Parts: sequence; structure tokens; C-alpha cells
Amino acid sequence: VVTQSPATLSASPGESATIYCRTSQNILRNLAWYQQKPGQPPRLLTFGSSTRTTGLSDRFIAFGAGTEFTLTINSLQSEDFAVYYCQEYNDWPPSTFGQGTKVEI
Amino acid sequence: QLHLQESGPGLVQPSEPLSLTCTVSRASINNASYYWSWLRQPPGGGLEWIGGVYHTGYASLSPSLQSRATISIDISRNHFSLRLTSVAAADTAVYFCARQRAEPGTRGGIFDFWGQGTPVTVSS
Repeated sequence: VVTQSPATLSASPGESATIYCRTSQNILRNLAWYQQKPGQPPRLLTFGSSTRTTGLSDRFIAFGAGTEFTLTINSLQSEDFAVYYCQEYNDWPPSTFGQGTKVEI
Repeated sequence: QLHLQESGPGLVQPSEPLSLTCTVSRASINNASYYWSWLRQPPGGGLEWIGGVYHTGYASLSPSLQSRATISIDISRNHFSLRLTSVAAADTAVYFCARQRAEPGTRGGIFDFWGQGTPVTVSS
């Protein structure tokens, strides 16, 4: 089970936002984060709990291991307002996603 | 850059089967490093993994859908397909195909390339 919180996070441009993901079992560092904007597919942001994909801004900081993980977005910009999902991939099948966090202005 | 494109009917009658195809371009799906996956997202909802297929044809399915879902692969056409039988309103969703990249030391993988998604409505 993957539990993501909060469901909605309100912040202003320039502020920081932190999203939490908790798993029911130890998944080591095998967690990924995705960003989804309206009408678009999810976009992979980070994996291995902290590795950014190529070209991803260093304002995105993923951290954690075991059962507790976070995604922090520093200095929020307009393009960061979106829905974020975590996904654990230590065990499979199935592939399990968190419920999503909407980061809104 | 890898490109995935879903195709299929946008409207399906209740109790009928749903068939979708994902055509992959700019790379071969005959690659042992990846699973080729289907996921879906109901209106206003989160992401649900349906299943994935390996280049050998071996498929793994979500326990909640395995009685109704079949995923197959056609190497010659560089595409893979989803068939979901006995659909109901709860199957209304945007359906995505995606490449699942196996990660060392894990049984699972990350979804690094996605199609744009195709909306499917189940209604009479």
C-alpha cells in the first residue's frame, strides 16, 4: 500500500512545497515521482528515491528510503502547479501508485 | 526519441469488449530491458496499472483485472494490445500505454515513456 499526502497543497510562486509518500513495507529506495498536467500523460521526474531525470530542475528534490519518502519543490514556478504521484517499484506485480497530490496556487 | 500512440474506439457499449493498440515508433519493442504496459486513469482519479507484456509474450496483469484483461504483443508490427472484456461504466477512463524500464535489484520498474492517452467511455 502506498499512501500519499496531502491530497491538495496550496502554495504561492516562490514558496516551497513538500509532498509525502509512505509505503506499508520497506521498499529500500525504489520509489519514483511523476508530474501530470491537465490533458497530458504523467512525466517521470525522479527514481531510485533521489535520481532526477535528465534536464529536470534541481529545484525538485526527492528524498527517502525504507517506508518514508518526500518530494520537495523549491521556489515554485508557474509550470510546477500540477498533480504529483509517487510509485513504488520494489515489488511487482502490481505497479502501485500513490493517490496523487494536487499542487495549486 | 521513443514514441507511443494509443488507438481504439472512444465509445464502448456496456458488457462489450474493449480493444486498444499501442504502436511504438523510433525503437523496437523486441527488447529484453522493458515491459510494455497499459495503465488507466478514471475521470478526476488516480493512476491504475492494468498490466504489462514482455517481448516474449509473457504478460503480467493486475489482480483486480486479470479475469477480464489480456495483453498481447506483435513484434512484427511493433505494437502491443489490450483487450478488456465485459466492460462497465467503471471502466470509463483515459487509457495510457507506457514503457516500463526494469530497474536493477528490483522486481518492478519505472514508466519512462508514455503515450498521450486515449479516452474511453463505456455507455449505451
